Amino acid sequence: GEDVEQSLFLSVREGDSSVINCTYTDSSSTYLYWYKQEPGAGLQLLTYIFSNMDMKQDQRLTVLLNKKDKHLSLRIADTQTGDSAIYFCAESPFYSSASKIIFGSGTRLSIRP
Amino acid sequence: DAGVTQSPTHLIKTRGQQVTLRCSPKSGHDTVSWYQQALGQGPQFIFQYYEEEERQRGNFPDRFSGHQFPNYSSELNVNALLLGDSALYLCASSFSGRSTDTQYFGPGTRLTVL
Repeated sequence: GEDVEQSLFLSVREGDSSVINCTYTDSSSTYLYWYKQEPGAGLQLLTYIFSNMDMKQDQRLTVLLNKKDKHLSLRIADTQTGDSAIYFCAESPFYSSASKIIFGSGTRLSIRP
Repeated sequence: DAGVTQSPTHLIKTRGQQVTLRCSPKSGHDTVSWYQQALGQGPQFIFQYYEEEERQRGNFPDRFSGHQFPNYSSELNVNALLLGDSALYLCASSFSGRSTDTQYFGPGTRLTVL
């Protein structure tokens, strides 16, 4: 079946690293994504990783994939107040316009001064 | 270059009514997908339109229908509205000619059913 699970809340101190975790069930998932949603806004694609990769780094973002355990994480280095948002883990069988995207329920990241 | 646009921004309806939401894809995109995001939940896939036909559908009743026009814009129609249809409706567009393309999301239409 298709299911994506992630914790609901995360609170970190400004300047620390944030780590948001996610598990998924569909072993055929080819692409895994992290989206960011700020209040009143649509979804912004932050980054994605192919299922044949273990890690992807993009500036302050690091994505780790453990395909055996179907576990995905997003690390945000030097977390800033502008990083406050809801982060969605998502997966799809194909990274293409032909594929639906399955989302988790989102992790709300709050930043402490 | 305008991104994905949706109208209206907000909408209030009563139970039993019908509603139409509109989406204009990003320039150069030919595929439109619709998602429903209930409060506190992640988006759920409703359906996708390509070449004016429904190509893929999620687990939504027939009350949810759509249309795609020759200019690639799209409408989402919901009949016999229920309180549970209150949600943020997101439209996403993409280009079919690039298999590695992603879907770009619009800001959404907030539908409230009273």
